[in-house]
Amino acid sequence: DQQVKQNSPSLSVQEGRISILNCDYTNSMFDYFLWYKKYPAEGPTFLISISSIKDKNEDGRFTVFLNKSAKHLSLHIVPSQPGDSAVYFCAASAIERGGADGLTFGKGTHLIIQP
Amino acid sequence: DAGVIQSPRHEVTEMGQEVTLRCKPISGHNSLFWYRQTMMRGLELLIYFNNNVPIDDSGMPEDRFSAKMPNASFSTLKIQPSEPRDSAVYFCASRPGLAGYEQYFGPGTRLTVT
Repeated sequence: DQQVKQNSPSLSVQEGRISILNCDYTNSMFDYFLWYKKYPAEGPTFLISISSIKDKNEDGRFTVFLNKSAKHLSLHIVPSQPGDSAVYFCAASAIERGGADGLTFGKGTHLIIQP
Repeated sequence: DAGVIQSPRHEVTEMGQEVTLRCKPISGHNSLFWYRQTMMRGLELLIYFNNNVPIDDSGMPEDRFSAKMPNASFSTLKIQPSEPRDSAVYFCASRPGLAGYEQYFGPGTRLTVT
């Protein structure tokens, strides 16, 4: 049973427009969420995170929104740039376990930025 | 600073052979994680260590898989005997203790078992 779901395997967005990547989770114990970006033949790299005590976290062009009641989070990238083309993974962890456990990942969304 | 180092980057082996994957975490990080990525299951946690001690190995698929961390700067993931269904990309990640939850991933080892 997948606890973190990314229902869109791919997403195509025009350069300069907003990219919105979505993620849903089922485990109510999760209270810390992260987004990772992955290029081919490389490991995932950390992008941005959010704690469940917040509903928004912003870092430059990247903003993550969390809706706890809906168990949903989204990553907004604005404006989208060609270098943003990559696979984006949503991940979750449970802070009350001290964050010592590993991350539970979604299967990823392949974002393609069209020139 | 060097990131997480994994070796080899690619491994091709025949079914039944022993495979050993290696990982050097970032210096000063005291948590280490092994993940496997497949098309079917995505990225899944296999095992993680805290201060060189295995904490949770519930993700290890079978007894054919074993992992060790003899010291703070080295870990191995061994598959013996290997099977074609073990073909995947194996990632090692490290984290600086409990200060923050971001994990830093290595480039991965692509394993092909024929």
